[in-house]
Amino acid sequence: QKEVEQNSGPLSVPEGAIASLNCTYSDRGSQSFFWYRQYSGKSPELIMFIYSNGDKEDGRFTAQLNKASQYVSLLIRDSQPSDSATYLCAVKTRAAGNKLTFGGGTRVLVKP
Amino acid sequence: EADIYQTPRYLVIGTGKKITLECSQTMGHDKMYWYQQDPGMELHLIHYSYGVNSTEKGDLSSESTVSRIRTEHFPLTLESARPSHTSQYLCASSTLTGYEQFFGPGTRLTVL
Repeated sequence: QKEVEQNSGPLSVPEGAIASLNCTYSDRGSQSFFWYRQYSGKSPELIMFIYSNGDKEDGRFTAQLNKASQYVSLLIRDSQPSDSATYLCAVKTRAAGNKLTFGGGTRVLVKP
Repeated sequence: EADIYQTPRYLVIGTGKKITLECSQTMGHDKMYWYQQDPGMELHLIHYSYGVNSTEKGDLSSESTVSRIRTEHFPLTLESARPSHTSQYLCASSTLTGYEQFFGPGTRLTVL
Protein backbone atom coordinates (compact mmCIF):
# COMPACT_ATOMS: atom_id res chain seq x y z
CA GLN A 1 0.00 0.00 0.00
CA LYS A 2 1.32 3.40 -0.94
CA GLU A 3 1.64 5.92 1.87
CA VAL A 4 -0.27 8.58 -0.05
CA GLU A 5 -2.73 7.53 -2.74
CA GLN A 6 -4.51 9.53 -5.39
CA ASN A 7 -6.54 8.62 -8.42
CA SER A 8 -4.30 9.40 -11.38
CA GLY A 9 -7.20 10.58 -13.55
CA PRO A 10 -7.58 12.33 -15.83
CA LEU A 11 -10.48 14.04 -14.13
CA SER A 12 -12.39 15.84 -16.84
CA VAL A 13 -14.67 18.68 -15.75
CA PRO A 14 -16.55 21.28 -17.78
CA GLU A 15 -15.62 24.90 -17.33
CA GLY A 16 -17.49 26.44 -14.40
CA ALA A 17 -18.10 23.13 -12.65
CA ILE A 18 -16.63 21.88 -9.37
CA ALA A 19 -13.61 19.59 -9.52
CA SER A 20 -13.32 17.21 -6.56
CA LEU A 21 -10.00 15.53 -5.85
CA ASN A 22 -9.37 12.95 -3.15
CA CYS A 23 -6.28 11.74 -1.35
CA THR A 24 -5.91 8.99 1.24
CA TYR A 25 -2.93 8.39 3.50
CA SER A 26 -1.83 5.43 5.56
CA ASP A 27 0.02 6.94 8.53
CA ARG A 28 -2.34 7.97 11.33
CA GLY A 29 0.46 10.10 12.78
CA SER A 30 0.34 12.44 9.81
CA GLN A 31 -0.04 16.01 10.91
CA SER A 32 -0.01 18.38 7.97
CA PHE A 33 -1.48 18.03 4.51
CA PHE A 34 -0.65 19.94 1.38
CA TRP A 35 -2.03 20.39 -2.10
CA TYR A 36 0.42 21.35 -4.82
CA ARG A 37 -0.41 22.19 -8.42
CA GLN A 38 2.03 21.17 -11.14
CA TYR A 39 1.64 22.29 -14.71
CA SER A 40 3.13 20.04 -17.35
CA GLY A 41 6.89 20.47 -17.47
CA LYS A 42 6.89 22.84 -14.49
CA SER A 43 7.71 22.50 -10.81
CA PRO A 44 5.06 22.12 -8.09
CA GLU A 45 3.59 25.18 -6.42
CA LEU A 46 1.68 25.16 -3.15
CA ILE A 47 -2.05 25.85 -3.33
CA MET A 48 -3.13 25.11 0.21
CA PHE A 49 -2.21 23.36 3.39
CA ILE A 50 -4.46 22.11 6.18
CA TYR A 51 -3.74 20.55 9.55
CA SER A 52 -7.07 20.62 11.41
CA ASN A 53 -10.14 18.54 10.71
CA GLY A 54 -12.77 20.32 8.69
CA ASP A 55 -12.73 22.72 5.78
CA LYS A 56 -10.32 25.46 4.81
CA GLU A 57 -11.22 27.85 2.02
CA ASP A 58 -8.95 30.04 -0.07
CA GLY A 59 -10.59 31.71 -3.03
CA ARG A 60 -11.96 29.06 -5.37
CA PHE A 61 -10.15 26.28 -3.50
CA THR A 62 -11.41 24.36 -0.46
CA ALA A 63 -9.38 21.73 1.34
CA GLN A 64 -11.21 19.22 3.51
CA LEU A 65 -9.53 17.02 6.11
CA ASN A 66 -10.92 13.99 7.91
CA LYS A 67 -8.23 12.44 10.09
CA ALA A 68 -10.49 9.67 11.38
CA SER A 69 -11.02 8.43 7.84
CA GLN A 70 -7.50 9.38 6.76
CA TYR A 71 -8.42 11.38 3.74
CA VAL A 72 -7.97 14.89 2.50
CA SER A 73 -9.75 16.39 -0.46
CA LEU A 74 -9.51 19.47 -2.64
CA LEU A 75 -12.47 21.18 -4.26
CA ILE A 76 -11.98 23.61 -7.11
CA ARG A 77 -15.06 25.76 -7.65
CA ASP A 78 -15.86 27.51 -10.93
CA SER A 79 -13.15 25.49 -12.70
CA GLN A 80 -11.24 27.34 -15.40
CA PRO A 81 -9.15 25.97 -18.28
CA SER A 82 -6.13 27.43 -16.48
CA ASP A 83 -6.81 24.97 -13.65
CA SER A 84 -5.84 22.12 -15.97
CA ALA A 85 -2.82 20.61 -14.27
CA THR A 86 -1.72 17.74 -12.05
CA TYR A 87 -2.62 18.18 -8.39
CA LEU A 88 -0.28 16.57 -5.90
CA CYS A 89 -1.30 15.64 -2.40
CA ALA A 90 1.55 15.66 0.13
CA VAL A 91 1.60 14.57 3.74
CA LYS A 92 4.01 15.51 6.51
CA THR A 93 4.54 13.00 9.28
CA ARG A 94 6.56 13.55 12.41
CA ALA A 95 7.67 9.92 12.37
CA ALA A 96 9.21 10.53 8.95
CA GLY A 97 11.22 13.45 10.27
CA ASN A 98 8.72 15.99 9.01
CA LYS A 99 9.53 15.16 5.43
CA LEU A 100 6.87 15.39 2.77
CA THR A 101 5.53 12.23 1.17
CA PHE A 102 3.84 12.88 -2.16
CA GLY A 103 1.05 11.05 -3.89
CA GLY A 104 1.24 10.33 -7.59
CA GLY A 105 -1.05 13.22 -8.45
CA THR A 106 -4.41 13.60 -10.15
CA ARG A 107 -4.47 15.09 -13.63
CA VAL A 108 -7.33 17.54 -14.08
CA LEU A 109 -8.61 18.64 -17.48
CA VAL A 110 -11.04 21.57 -17.58
CA LYS A 111 -12.85 21.69 -20.90
CA PRO A 112 -14.23 25.02 -22.19
CA GLU B 1 14.09 38.92 -5.09
CA ALA B 2 13.96 35.79 -2.94
CA ASP B 3 13.94 32.74 -5.14
CA ILE B 4 15.33 29.28 -5.76
CA TYR B 5 17.46 28.60 -8.81
CA GLN B 6 18.57 25.47 -10.61
CA THR B 7 21.10 25.08 -13.37
CA PRO B 8 21.26 23.73 -15.94
CA ARG B 9 17.58 23.55 -16.85
CA TYR B 10 18.24 20.84 -19.44
CA LEU B 11 21.21 18.52 -19.76
CA VAL B 12 21.92 15.76 -22.27
CA ILE B 13 25.04 13.81 -21.48
CA GLY B 14 26.73 10.54 -22.30
CA THR B 15 27.06 7.49 -20.09
CA GLY B 16 29.92 7.56 -17.61
CA LYS B 17 30.22 11.34 -17.35
CA LYS B 18 30.39 13.11 -14.00
CA ILE B 19 27.76 15.79 -13.58
CA THR B 20 26.78 18.31 -10.94
CA LEU B 21 23.33 19.81 -10.76
CA GLU B 22 23.32 23.20 -9.08
CA CYS B 23 20.71 24.53 -6.68
CA SER B 24 20.83 27.88 -4.94
CA GLN B 25 18.26 29.77 -2.91
CA THR B 26 18.14 33.36 -1.74
CA MET B 27 15.23 32.79 0.62
CA GLY B 28 17.32 32.37 3.75
CA HIS B 29 15.96 28.86 4.27
CA ASP B 30 17.75 26.30 6.39
CA LYS B 31 16.26 23.15 4.90
CA MET B 32 16.90 22.05 1.34
CA TYR B 33 15.77 19.00 -0.60
CA TRP B 34 16.38 17.11 -3.82
CA TYR B 35 13.52 15.20 -5.45
CA GLN B 36 13.49 12.98 -8.49
CA GLN B 37 10.39 12.85 -10.66
CA ASP B 38 9.79 10.73 -13.75
CA PRO B 39 7.11 11.98 -16.19
CA GLY B 40 3.63 11.47 -14.78
CA MET B 41 4.97 9.93 -11.60
CA GLU B 42 5.23 11.04 -7.99
CA LEU B 43 8.11 12.98 -6.50
CA HIS B 44 10.64 10.90 -4.62
CA LEU B 45 12.90 12.48 -2.01
CA ILE B 46 16.52 11.51 -2.66
CA HIS B 47 18.48 13.89 -0.37
CA TYR B 48 17.81 16.59 2.19
CA SER B 49 19.70 18.90 4.50
CA TYR B 50 18.82 20.73 7.71
CA GLY B 51 21.63 23.23 7.34
CA VAL B 52 25.35 23.66 6.72
CA ASN B 53 27.29 20.38 6.95
CA SER B 54 24.04 18.41 7.32
CA THR B 55 23.09 15.92 4.60
CA GLU B 56 20.72 12.96 4.78
CA LYS B 57 19.57 10.32 2.32
CA GLY B 58 15.91 10.38 1.41
CA ASP B 59 13.36 7.68 0.83
CA LEU B 60 14.52 6.72 -2.66
CA SER B 61 17.89 5.08 -3.00
CA SER B 62 20.10 7.16 -5.22
CA GLU B 63 23.64 6.90 -6.53
CA SER B 64 24.01 10.64 -6.28
CA THR B 65 25.73 12.60 -3.52
CA VAL B 66 25.14 16.08 -2.12
CA SER B 67 27.02 18.64 -0.11
CA ARG B 68 25.99 21.66 1.97
CA ILE B 69 28.97 23.90 2.56
CA ARG B 70 26.98 27.11 2.35
CA THR B 71 23.41 27.71 3.50
CA GLU B 72 22.24 28.89 0.11
CA HIS B 73 23.89 26.19 -2.01
CA PHE B 74 22.98 22.48 -2.28
CA PRO B 75 24.58 20.81 -5.32
CA LEU B 76 23.87 17.23 -6.38
CA THR B 77 26.58 15.16 -8.06
CA LEU B 78 26.46 11.99 -10.11
CA GLU B 79 29.96 10.48 -10.39
CA SER B 80 29.11 8.31 -13.38
CA ALA B 81 25.87 9.00 -15.20
CA ARG B 82 23.80 6.11 -16.56
CA PRO B 83 20.65 6.00 -18.70
CA SER B 84 18.69 4.96 -15.57
CA HIS B 85 19.46 8.43 -14.15
CA THR B 86 17.37 10.04 -16.86
CA SER B 87 14.71 11.99 -14.99
CA GLN B 88 13.69 15.42 -13.75
CA TYR B 89 15.48 16.62 -10.63
CA LEU B 90 13.72 19.18 -8.45
CA CYS B 91 15.35 21.19 -5.69
CA ALA B 92 13.25 22.68 -2.89
CA SER B 93 13.78 24.67 0.29
CA SER B 94 11.87 25.54 3.44
CA THR B 95 12.35 27.10 6.83
CA LEU B 96 13.06 24.71 9.71
CA THR B 97 9.51 24.90 11.02
CA GLY B 98 7.62 26.18 8.01
CA TYR B 99 4.85 24.33 6.25
CA GLU B 100 5.69 25.22 2.69
CA GLN B 101 8.44 23.86 0.48
CA PHE B 102 9.37 26.12 -2.39
CA PHE B 103 10.50 24.40 -5.55
CA GLY B 104 13.05 25.43 -8.12
CA PRO B 105 12.30 25.15 -11.86
CA GLY B 106 13.95 21.72 -12.12
CA THR B 107 16.70 20.14 -14.22
CA ARG B 108 15.65 17.70 -16.89
CA LEU B 109 18.51 15.21 -17.28
CA THR B 110 18.88 12.81 -20.19
CA VAL B 111 21.70 10.29 -20.16
CA LEU B 112 22.37 8.63 -23.50
